[in-house]
Amino acid sequence: GAVVSQHPSWVICKSGTSVKIECRSLDFQATTMFWYRQFPKQSLMLMATSNEGSKATYEQGVEKDKFLINHASLTLSTLTVTSAHPEDSSFYICSANPLLALPYNEQFFGPGTRLTVL
Amino acid sequence: AQKVTQAQTEISVVEKEDVTLDCVYETRDTTYYLFWYKQPPSGELVFLIRRNSFDEQNEISGRYSWNFQKSTSSFNFTITASQVVDSAVYFCALSDPQAGTALIFGKGTTLSVSS
Repeated sequence: GAVVSQHPSWVICKSGTSVKIECRSLDFQATTMFWYRQFPKQSLMLMATSNEGSKATYEQGVEKDKFLINHASLTLSTLTVTSAHPEDSSFYICSANPLLALPYNEQFFGPGTRLTVL
Repeated sequence: AQKVTQAQTEISVVEKEDVTLDCVYETRDTTYYLFWYKQPPSGELVFLIRRNSFDEQNEISGRYSWNFQKSTSSFNFTITASQVVDSAVYFCALSDPQAGTALIFGKGTTLSVSS
């Protein structure tokens, strides 16, 4: 089956630093990747849609200058949390949409990255 | 607008009891997909089922079964003879493939199964 990896699986950083999270599709190409955020005991909320070779589309309320997304290849998307603050502490999950994933919007989820900002 | 409602925030049962997790969705689209995911304490989402809007047949997979009713916009999930390992958060989600959107998740139901 299709596998999506995330690195790192967890990270602790100091307030004010930047953190980069990688999302890779290991055995398929993904034209679209999605980034979700999940606060403790809450649901997954879509942050942005990342398309290979173009700018990401951010959901309302998500600061694009704070959460930088780069989808440089068909197998890699990165999310950089810039100048992280404690309120950015969350579980970040990516999902990848395989190329030509018709007729349905097949998505494969990564295992998530737990970010703790001190 | 699309929306998924899981009215049950937390459910506690004793092992071997049957339990049903409710899911009600809203969409104006005629073509859509519904999903159930399990999220154990590790956090990784475990895919359980995908159902398209044109297939209203109920499905059974081992102790799991799903009841899809378009008339009531519901896609309920039943675990028969629950086990402690079933303890997790369960999410119902909706996808509109035509719009190429991401999944819209319900708020989740935390299931606790005690021995």
